[in-house]
Formats: sequence, C-alpha cells, structure tokens
Amino acid sequence: DGGITQSPKYLFRKEGQNVTLSCEQNLNHDAMYWYRQDPGQGLRLIYYSQIVNDFQKGDIAEGYSVSREKKESFPLTVTSAQKNPTAFYLCASSFGGRSNYGYTFGSGTRLTVV
Amino acid sequence: AQKITQTQPGMFVQEKEAVTLDCTYDTSDPSYGLFWYKQPSSGEMIFLIYQGSYDQQNATEGRYSLNFQKARKSANLVISASQLGDSAMYFCAIDNNAGNMLTFGGGTRLMVKP
Repeated sequence: DGGITQSPKYLFRKEGQNVTLSCEQNLNHDAMYWYRQDPGQGLRLIYYSQIVNDFQKGDIAEGYSVSREKKESFPLTVTSAQKNPTAFYLCASSFGGRSNYGYTFGSGTRLTVV
Repeated sequence: AQKITQTQPGMFVQEKEAVTLDCTYDTSDPSYGLFWYKQPSSGEMIFLIYQGSYDQQNATEGRYSLNFQKARKSANLVISASQLGDSAMYFCAIDNNAGNMLTFGGGTRLMVKP
C-alpha cells in the first residue's frame, strides 16, 4: 500500500544532541513537507521541498535542517540550535500544486528532550 | 500570507446531532483551496473535505459538508449525525495561489457525548 512512513514513532534527545527524523513516501509525490505541532496547537511549517535537491524554509526553520537527495525521502534534523525541540513532528507529501485532497500525512514522530 | 482563525477551542455535541465548526480565513490570493482535516488522539491527520475558491457549490463528503461564504471569508465544517468516533481535533487549512503550501488554523477539539 502507498503511504508515508515516519520513524521512529517516539524519540528522546539529550540536551545538545542532533537527531534526525525519517520520512519516506512511496506515493510518487514530488512535494514533501515537515510540520511541527505543539500540544493543543495547530501545525506550523518548518521546511518544504517541491523537487529533488531543492527545499525552502517555512515559518519556523531556525534550528532545523533538511535534505532531499531522493524523491522518496525527506529527513529532518533537529539541531542543538533548536532551543525548544519537544513537539510532535508530522511529515506530509503531495503531487505539488493544488490537489483536491491536500496533503497525505505520516503518523508522526513525538520528540522529547530529556 | 494566508491566515486561518478557528475561534472555538473546544465544543461538545450530543451523539446523533449536527455540529458546526467555525473557520475564517484571510488571503490576498485570487485562487485558493480550503481544507478540513481530522486528527484523532493517535496523531495522524485525516483529510475530510475540500472547497475551491471558485467552486459554485458547497462541498459535501458523506456526513461532512462545508458552508462556504466567500464574501465573509468563512468555511465552516458541518458534521451531521455525530458519532462517538467523531471526537477529535479538527483543523481548517488554506493553500496559497500556487497550491504548494498549506497554512493551518489552531484547531477545534470536538467531544461527542453519548
């Protein structure tokens, strides 16, 4: 079945560590996105990529980095520069451009700083 | 830039009754799409319904319908015959003119009472 796989489901990070969240899709979608969700809040865009080897900053890119070396993969690294990384991270994908179905989302990664 | 406002942080509805979740938006784009997503406690985002800014008729999908009032910039979600499984967070979202970026509101938590 086609879909988006995020791993791990839960992730614990020590202060000062970089961690990488995985996002893989087999939907043949061109565009991929990373969102952050804090408890009781909406989703905020971190980074997005419309094509391979290209990506743009969203509204809250500071402290995060991404790469898009393959169409299927869009990993997110939470760096030590991100001062408050504890949140729920959602990856999404789409064909790019407007779609009646919006985005397809993964099941999320819950990151906690310990 | 797009903005979505959901003014109801939480709502209760009796099982089998209808409920309306409010959404107002602000955009300077001449063409845009409006989306509603459901987020159960498990965290995944489930697409519910889409309305294009030039669509003449209100969108419907099963028990979901969208009350689109373009002049008022509102896109309220109506859920008919509420079920216990409808208890979740509901997010309204708008895309930009190119259809390549979704902006989400803060969400409404719906609780269905038996």
